Amino acid sequence: GAVVSQHPSWVICKSGTSVKIECRSLDFQATTMFWYRQFPKQSLMLMATSNEGSKATYEQGVEKDKFLINHASLTLSTLTVTSAHPEDSSFYICSASHRVGNIQYFGAGTRLSVL
Amino acid sequence: GENVEQHPSTLSVQEGDSAVIKCTYSDSASNYFPWYKQELGKGPQLIIDIRSNVGEKKDQRIAVTLNKTAKHFSLHITETQPEDSAVYFCAAISSGGGADGLTFGKGTHLIIQP
Repeated sequence: GAVVSQHPSWVICKSGTSVKIECRSLDFQATTMFWYRQFPKQSLMLMATSNEGSKATYEQGVEKDKFLINHASLTLSTLTVTSAHPEDSSFYICSASHRVGNIQYFGAGTRLSVL
Repeated sequence: GENVEQHPSTLSVQEGDSAVIKCTYSDSASNYFPWYKQELGKGPQLIIDIRSNVGEKKDQRIAVTLNKTAKHFSLHITETQPEDSAVYFCAAISSGGGADGLTFGKGTHLIIQP
């Protein structure tokens, strides 16, 4: 099956620093990748849609200058949380859309803890 | 935009019994409905999906039904096993699925009692 790799799986950082999360589709090319955020015991909320070679589309309420997304190739998208604060602590999950059936496959997620 | 309601929030069943989780959606243009299983601390795993041109789909112990008129779809798990314990999310999307993000239900915590 389609595999999406996400790194790191867990990161702790100090308030004010930036954190980069990588999302890779290992065995398929994904023209579109998505970034979701999940707070404890809650559902996944779409943050942004990332298309290779173009600017990401952000959902309402998501600050594009705070959550920088780069989709440099058909297999790699990155999310950078800039000037992280404790309220940014969450579980960030990426997904990649497979061309066959446009099915979304998810990475294992990144647990971000901002101190 | 799309709104997905999911019930129940928690479901406890005896091992070997069946479990049913129900979802409704608001956008009649939605045409793709996946179900994901999420274990603690992990990303969601696709377990089954259905498209709007099909009313039912089955994969071993898992089945999904779709009623487009009523705008609801359900997940059915038969002969439940302890490893089925997890949080299950339904989702809907109103395009081909590739260009738009998924709208998720709030999730159902399925507990299989031994």
